[in-house]
This record gives sequence, structure tokens and C-alpha cells, in this order.
Amino acid sequence: QSVLTQPPSVSAAPGQRVTISCSTGSTHIASDFVSWYQQLPGTAPKLLIYENDKRPSTIPDRFSGSKSGTSATLGITGLQTGDEADYYCGAWDNRLSAWVFGGGTKVTV
Amino acid sequence: QVQLQESGPGLVKPSETLTLTCSVSAGAIVSYYWSWIRQSPGKGLEWIGYVFYRRSATYNPSLQSRVYMSVDTSKNEFSLTMDSVTVADTGMYFCARWNANNLDSWGQGILVTVSS
Repeated sequence: QSVLTQPPSVSAAPGQRVTISCSTGSTHIASDFVSWYQQLPGTAPKLLIYENDKRPSTIPDRFSGSKSGTSATLGITGLQTGDEADYYCGAWDNRLSAWVFGGGTKVTV
Repeated sequence: QVQLQESGPGLVKPSETLTLTCSVSAGAIVSYYWSWIRQSPGKGLEWIGYVFYRRSATYNPSLQSRVYMSVDTSKNEFSLTMDSVTVADTGMYFCARWNANNLDSWGQGILVTVSS
């Protein structure tokens, strides 16, 4: 069971918006920084969001991140079929002294 | 943009030692931490650890008794060694660049199967 809790799946029609939650559930995730990764089928993960809400320059602004308290959220607007993928959140766990990933959320368009 | 490429055996026997290497393009291997992540078939991501060229590595507590990471600056590569592998170690292994608080560049991954 992952330290970071994500819903197993979300779905929406093309053009709509989805949000994916990532709950730390504890204060052991002491860093304020959560990052998000997209893993398209059969490929390596790719960084989507870092430091809660920042996007690498190559990532379109349809993707957004936010964090409030012990929960982070990834938002995807204008859903496209090409967005069908697994999405993972990640953060440093001070209690484990290790990086931890959420269990992943499968997005279906 | 940095590129990473994993290499190593695709098949390892149970109880043997697995060694994987990640080649880093565009230099600067001394400027970052470098990480290994794995993914069992059909499962989520598991962080194995990270290493900096002149510091001891930090490992996932669940694996630290069996893993070792190192950096070879002369070859611009870093490596992962895992002892006493079992079938449970089968999966995709990814190398990645650790950038302060995220993994910003990933290799394409290498499939490792543990089987006799």
C-alpha cells in the first residue's frame, strides 16, 4: 500500500476536465513539494508537474497542479485521447527517508 | 537536454546478482543526483534509491540490504547492483535524473526477468 493515496481510475469525455488527488495522509511528507508523472502505455514516466504547481517548458498548460495541506491535485483540461495514461504523484517521506510514489491513477478518455 | 540509456542483462537467475548501467549524455554527471526506479509488471512505480558522485547513496529501506549504487565519472555513467534477486525483482528498471525534489529526466527503461 502506497504512502501517497490516489484514486485507481478516473474518466471523462474528450474536451472535458479531470482532477486527480494525491493524499499524503500524514505530516511525514514534510516537504511542501509534490511532483506528478505521466506514463503513456509502454513508455517511461515523464515529469508533468514539479514543486506542486510548476510545469516544465515542454508541458502544455492544459496540465496544472496545486497543493493544499496534505493533499495535492493534478488537473487536466481539454482532455484528449492522447492523455490516456497512468499518472503518479511523488514526494519525499522524511520518516522513511525515501522517495515515495502514489499507487497511480489510470485516466480514460 | 540530457538523455539516459539503461543497459544490462535481460535475464537473471534467482539468487544471482543483477547489475544495470545507465549512460548519461551531455556530461554534467557530477552536477546531479541520479536515481533508479523499478516497476513490476502491471504495477506502480517503486523508488530504489539515488546516488551522487562523491557521496554515499540513499536507498529505499525495503531494498537497502541488497542494493548498491555508484557513479563512474570517467564513463559518464552510473550503476545499480542488486544481490540475491528473486522472481519478485522481475520488472522494468528505469534510471532517472534527480533534480532537487523531482525526477526530471528518465531513461526508456530495461526489462529484467528473474527466472531459472
